[in-house]
Amino acid sequence: AQSVTQPDIHITVSEGASLELRCNYSYGATPYLFWYVQSPGQGLQLLLKYFSGDTLVQGIKGFEAEFKRSQSSFNLRKPSVHWSDAAEYFCAVHTNAGKSTFGDGTTLTVKP
Amino acid sequence: DAGVIQSPRHEVTEMGQEVTLRCKPISGHDYLFWYRQTMMRGLELLIYFNNNVPIDDSGMPEDRFSAKMPNASFSTLKIQPSEPRDSAVYFCASNPDRNSPLHFGNGTRLTVT
Repeated sequence: AQSVTQPDIHITVSEGASLELRCNYSYGATPYLFWYVQSPGQGLQLLLKYFSGDTLVQGIKGFEAEFKRSQSSFNLRKPSVHWSDAAEYFCAVHTNAGKSTFGDGTTLTVKP
Repeated sequence: DAGVIQSPRHEVTEMGQEVTLRCKPISGHDYLFWYRQTMMRGLELLIYFNNNVPIDDSGMPEDRFSAKMPNASFSTLKIQPSEPRDSAVYFCASNPDRNSPLHFGNGTRLTVT
């Protein structure tokens, strides 16, 4: 069965600093990988996705993620964090059967 | 498009009562998912449908939970009888095909007292 691990429950960064959120997955076949963001009181919104091809994918709001098959990782990065990026971030793996499994999420706090 | 629409946004009920949560997926989306989110267990997939047919209900906690999708534009998740441990945010999501990202509704916050 597929699984997703987000090792960091909570991360705090200063505004303007760089950010990296970690994600490791377990899935027997080639995975479809996603990052979503959730603001308080709202549903999850897609940030970016990886299906195949270039292992560095660009998303909305200046985010990017790199797929590393050898490490079973799909880490999310942003070079300069803005206060509005404070939210909860979820990594997900999507199987060929159409089922998505989510990590437990990482809460990002941005210090002024 | 209005996105995935869930109702109600908030529901407060007493233990033992029946609760019905509603979802309208995005038009043209063939897959519909029900998730439950809690602090303790995170996001859990309860059940999902393809073309109105339930495909995987292995995440449904117990017989008190049931879900239906009578047509392509409407689904319900029912809890009968409800218990305090059912308190959570319930999300509905849809996508056009099995490989596409999910589009989430804003959720229903259920409180069972």
